[in-house]
Amino acid sequence: NAGVTQTPKFQVLKTGQSMTLQCAQDMNHEYMSWYRQDPGMGLRLIHYSVGAGITDQGEVPNGYNVSRSTTEDFPLRLLSAAPSQTSVYFCASSYSRDYGYTFGSGTRLTVV
Amino acid sequence: GENVEQHPSTLSVQEGDSAVIKCTYSDSASNYFPWYKQELGKRPQLIIDIRSNVGEKKDQRIAVTLNKTAKHFSLHITETQPEDSAVYFCAALNTGGFKTIFGAGTRLFVKA
Repeated sequence: NAGVTQTPKFQVLKTGQSMTLQCAQDMNHEYMSWYRQDPGMGLRLIHYSVGAGITDQGEVPNGYNVSRSTTEDFPLRLLSAAPSQTSVYFCASSYSRDYGYTFGSGTRLTVV
Repeated sequence: GENVEQHPSTLSVQEGDSAVIKCTYSDSASNYFPWYKQELGKRPQLIIDIRSNVGEKKDQRIAVTLNKTAKHFSLHITETQPEDSAVYFCAALNTGGFKTIFGAGTRLFVKA
């Protein structure tokens, strides 16, 4: 039982490049979310999913896309990276909407 | 939109003293309030949560209280220890939107 696995752990991108942050969980959780963490701003919700095939926008969705084709996987795509997307990204999953999240170990992304 | 405010942003206490972190939320439909602890360089981890049908919950040295009328909830840590030093986040779940919104975090320092 690996929990929530995120890859890569570190990434440097050039402005305008695209990439996908991977997230997988093996706990059969229906609820999955992506957050970004910036100093002094806590964790801000990017996108979330309440089950396979169902996604919705969070607080800061611009510049990001998600899909949920399986219960296990919830990738986050950066369409055209910008320096403002430099951040630490956390994927999280939950058994139910009113249960606490299990977080992945995070991806530290730098856009230059 | 939904908003969670957290105070103070930094808190320094002497070992053995108590620490209190306060949060307010804007959406009266919120009904689940988790608290997370994040140690330096690590992922957030759930430490305690409370649902809207309960006014107080305790787990050893930590407790959470909820005032639904005032839309306030607080984390209380008693007999603080150096290993309690971390960033603490409050959060609120809006049932209608399935979104968990986080506060900006409180950095707690426990001085030995």
